[in-house]
Amino acid sequence: DVKVTQSSRYLVKRTGEKVFLECVQDMDHENMFWYRQDPGLGLRLIYFSYDVKMKEKGDIPEGYSVSREKKERFSLILESASTNQTSMYLCASSLFSGTSTDTQYFGPGTRLTVL
Amino acid sequence: SQQGEEDPQALSIQEGENATMNCSYKTSINNLQWYRQNSGRGLVHLILIRSNEREKHSGRLRVTLDTSKKSSSLLITASRAADTASYFCATERAGSYQLTFGKGTKLSVIP
Repeated sequence: DVKVTQSSRYLVKRTGEKVFLECVQDMDHENMFWYRQDPGLGLRLIYFSYDVKMKEKGDIPEGYSVSREKKERFSLILESASTNQTSMYLCASSLFSGTSTDTQYFGPGTRLTVL
Repeated sequence: SQQGEEDPQALSIQEGENATMNCSYKTSINNLQWYRQNSGRGLVHLILIRSNEREKHSGRLRVTLDTSKKSSSLLITASRAADTASYFCATERAGSYQLTFGKGTKLSVIP
């Protein structure tokens, strides 16, 4: 079974802090994704990566950056956390099929609260 | 922008009944996927249907796709209390390898 793990289930940070959310997958997937999920808004894509050191902006990249130094690890960074970044953060990974989007496998999520 | 939109937003049924959820989308797709999310957890992939397929089955799940109407439906037969969850459809933006998720249908199955 594909396993996607996220570094924390719950996280509480203060406004202005630098926050790192880490995601690790064990199935040698090329693609990795970071979403945030908010009530009434569904899942929104923040960033994704299709290879080591490659990244692409999603729909809402403002206030976030990412890092992918190894294939299995994709980090989401909040340079200076703000209260409007309080949310559930979901990481996912998928194979690169070359022609279309494959199944995405999700981690359990990190519920981040910024005070 | 939202591509897939689920309908209804919430659905409550008795155990043993069938549950039907619908998804509409706006642009051409390569495939459409359905995911389930139990409360406060990550999403789990249920089924993928490609644009050249019309119907697909997996256990108690039946998915249909009508590309002319840009819509899909997910049918769960003989529902169980454990099916209580939110269900999301996701469509791929052409050529982007990204999925766009709808806001989900919240299904409650009453024992």
